[in-house]
Amino acid sequence: NAGVTQTPKFQVLKTGQSMTLQCAQDMNHEYMSWYRQDPGMGLRLIHYSVGAGITDQGEVPNGYNVSRSTTEDFPLRLLSAAPSQTSVYFCASSSAEGVAGELFFGEGSRLTVL
Amino acid sequence: AQSVTQLGSHVSVSEGALVLLRCNYSSSVPPYLFWYVQYPNQGLQLLLKYTSAATLVKGINGFEAEFKKSETSFHLTKPSAHMSDAAEYFCAVTPRGYQKVTFGIGTKLQVIP
Repeated sequence: NAGVTQTPKFQVLKTGQSMTLQCAQDMNHEYMSWYRQDPGMGLRLIHYSVGAGITDQGEVPNGYNVSRSTTEDFPLRLLSAAPSQTSVYFCASSSAEGVAGELFFGEGSRLTVL
Repeated sequence: AQSVTQLGSHVSVSEGALVLLRCNYSSSVPPYLFWYVQYPNQGLQLLLKYTSAATLVKGINGFEAEFKKSETSFHLTKPSAHMSDAAEYFCAVTPRGYQKVTFGIGTKLQVIP
């Protein structure tokens, strides 16, 4: 069972470059979200989606864009990378049928911005 | 708005000793509460959840947590630590019926042989 798949696992960017972190889930979950994890700060919500065509901002959305054209995919775009975006990024999904807040996570994407 | 506070970013216990990881929550409405575990270089996985069915919740790997409304707490315990319990543990909260989850800063558990 694939679950939540994130690519790439590792990426190094130069300041100002753009890139997309991919997230796909095969569980037909309605809810998908992106978090960033930084030492001493836990996980902070960047953007989330409650279904195809619907997205909203989380706690730290600046510098990131998302779209949700299908139920399965929820890519995260960095428009112009900055060193402050060096972090580990996690995609998570959950079902509207299950317990609200019970998240299934990908393995993470480690991004370094030089 | 909801939030959780985890007391102690690092906790060390001896193998076989009691594990106690503290979490206090703040929520304007009755919440759902969760503990997640993260092993090195992995994503988070659900350890246990409180959804109001019972105040004492049992999870995987021998962990349990008790919801205490009067203390706004949801502490995680395990009677006897095992080396394989070394990981980072996150407390999380969401208002009932909402999918947005707020995480604490995490507690790294070290188990000493």
